[in-house]
Amino acid sequence: DAGITQSPRHKVTETGTPVTLRCHQTENHRYMYWYRQDPGHGLRLIHYSYGVKDTDKGEVSDGYSVSRSKTEDFLLTLESATSSQTSVYFCAISERASTDTQYFGPGTRLTVL
Amino acid sequence: AQSVSQHNHHVILSEAASLELGCNYSYGGTVNLFWYVQYPGQHLQLLLKYFSGDPLVKGIKGFEAEFIKSKFSFNLRKPSVQWSDTAEYFCAVSGNAGKSTFGDGTTLTVKP
Repeated sequence: DAGITQSPRHKVTETGTPVTLRCHQTENHRYMYWYRQDPGHGLRLIHYSYGVKDTDKGEVSDGYSVSRSKTEDFLLTLESATSSQTSVYFCAISERASTDTQYFGPGTRLTVL
Repeated sequence: AQSVSQHNHHVILSEAASLELGCNYSYGGTVNLFWYVQYPGQHLQLLLKYFSGDPLVKGIKGFEAEFIKSKFSFNLRKPSVQWSDTAEYFCAVSGNAGKSTFGDGTTLTVKP
């Protein structure tokens, strides 16, 4: 398995509070991604990074921000969590763009009350 | 924009039955196609992928998929399913550099 960890693995928070999820990789891969998985919607890309300090938006980026200050870490922040952001969040990595397999982390289950 | 459509949301089969899961994509340029699987309680992992060459791609655990360019399809097949194939299956297309689009997923339940 690729060396990807996510923390925390489970979190329950209240509406309006800030939340930061962390993805850490030991593979030295250039590309990192944040997805959310919701029933009936599959995986939807939130943000991705193509290098340190280089990030771009995905299809569902509203309400989320990201940062990547080191190759190995990619942070996802919900500035003010809402109930619609209750979901399972997956981090993924790939060595190169589009043609490469993405390797997924174990996921973080976030519940916003 | 690229998009992926998986026709079946939930498929129920008995062991030894044959499987075919549909996947159609929309993208104007050269595409790279993937099937991922998510076993219960686990993260997604790659089943197989197509970049170029032979349109019939073989993956792990006896799965295969055929890329039919004229139909914009990349259907997943397995001749004989096992109970352990119970999982959710995702088709994905990658055309724009660095971005993949996933289908909504198909849940496969195999009855012993």
